[in-house]
Amino acid sequence: DIVVTQSPVTLSLSPGERATLSCRTNEIIDNYLVWYQQKPGQAPRLLIYDASKRATGVPVRFRGSGSGTDFTLTINSLEPEDFAVYYCQERSHWPRGTFGQGTKVEMK
Amino acid sequence: EVQVLESGGDLVLPGGSLRLSCGASGVTLSDYAMTWVRQAPGKGLEWVSTISYSGARTYYADSVRGRFTISRDNSRGTVYLQMGSLRADDTALYYCAREGNIRTASIPQMDVWGEGTTVTVSS
Repeated sequence: DIVVTQSPVTLSLSPGERATLSCRTNEIIDNYLVWYQQKPGQAPRLLIYDASKRATGVPVRFRGSGSGTDFTLTINSLEPEDFAVYYCQERSHWPRGTFGQGTKVEMK
Repeated sequence: EVQVLESGGDLVLPGGSLRLSCGASGVTLSDYAMTWVRQAPGKGLEWVSTISYSGARTYYADSVRGRFTISRDNSRGTVYLQMGSLRADDTALYYCAREGNIRTASIPQMDVWGEGTTVTVSS
């Protein structure tokens, strides 16, 4: 199975700052990488697919990048509603897909 | 608005069985593959199972293969997850998600999720 590692576990930032979240896989997955946002008590929400494409309705401050084994989710100028847990998922063998353990973006 | 709704979660004894259901409003489920994802209390997400739009193909995580069965009844617009030989580590919130055919995506994506249904396995 492909191993997906997210870092850091927690990111403490203030509104207006930039968040940089990392996701790494132990095998090359081309661009089959998805990012989700999950707020407390809510279902996950699709943010980014194919490593860099924003899902419908996702603000432009969310940017996905990377290919191969190293991927990044950047959130420019954090808004209060962006504080949440973010998961990446590799889907190189769709529909199977391993999730990372998540990165919590918390308010400093 | 497209919505997915899960039901069937319950408290069940170890070794027991349970059937989860997933329906939708605002969309014809038979047009889409559907996936179950679970989340243990305080933990991350785990892909569990997917069924193709027709039901001809099914896929399972190693952790549930042989114990869980995914199926669908497109005439009822419902997807099922039959869970058997349940263990304590199956305790989780089970989400149902649509594998949406996004025009610009290389593969279907879990673009609509339900709120989940809770399964607790405990004596």
